[in-house]
Amino acid sequence: QVTLRESGPALVKPTQTLTLTCTFSGFSLSTSGMCVSWIRQPPGKALEWLALIDWDDDKYYSTSLKTRLTISKDTSKNQVVLTMTNMDPVDTATYYCARILAVAGTGFDYWGQGTLVTVSS
Amino acid sequence: SYELTQPPSVSVSPGQTARITCSGDALPKQYAYWYQQKPGQAPVLVIYKDSERPSGIPERFSGSSSGTTVTLTISGVQAEDEADYYCQSADSSGTSWVFGGGTKLTVL
Repeated sequence: QVTLRESGPALVKPTQTLTLTCTFSGFSLSTSGMCVSWIRQPPGKALEWLALIDWDDDKYYSTSLKTRLTISKDTSKNQVVLTMTNMDPVDTATYYCARILAVAGTGFDYWGQGTLVTVSS
Repeated sequence: SYELTQPPSVSVSPGQTARITCSGDALPKQYAYWYQQKPGQAPVLVIYKDSERPSGIPERFSGSSSGTTVTLTISGVQAEDEADYYCQSADSSGTSWVFGGGTKLTVL
């Protein structure tokens, strides 16, 4: 059974750095083709893809946010971590992690329940 | 940056057919995916690789592709299908993923 769960602070102040952790089970990020991605959704708005890390430790970032994002993995802990620097109120959103087998073309087939992050002083 | 364009809203009566389109320049080259999202819930994949349906997704959900436009079709719409629907694909290089702006499906 594949599950993903996001964790991190619910509230951050402007200019601070956000660190989110995705803890997953039911698959291994060392399996060829396996990837985990971060996606966010501001309240009442559309989904926005942020970053992806694959089994080979290749990393991909949203063009508009790449200077602020870092994605990493700890395969032994089944975790993927996203950091976003210089947080702003416009970054208030629900942040999701999701699994994708990018080469196989599965799409984001499993998602976490999401974690709401509010940016406010 | 690459964009996918969806209509903001579609309305249908129960039992009718709903069609939601998504357009993007790289769609002839990259697969499209569709997600259903109900209020307060995470998105659920309903179509992958343009027209494949994951297990557990009702047969009334189907997908098609023609040139730079992909279409999600829901036949015999039910009240429970009322949700936001998002298309998703990748840019021409396949290294940047993108979502459409979402379509709110209203069942009248």
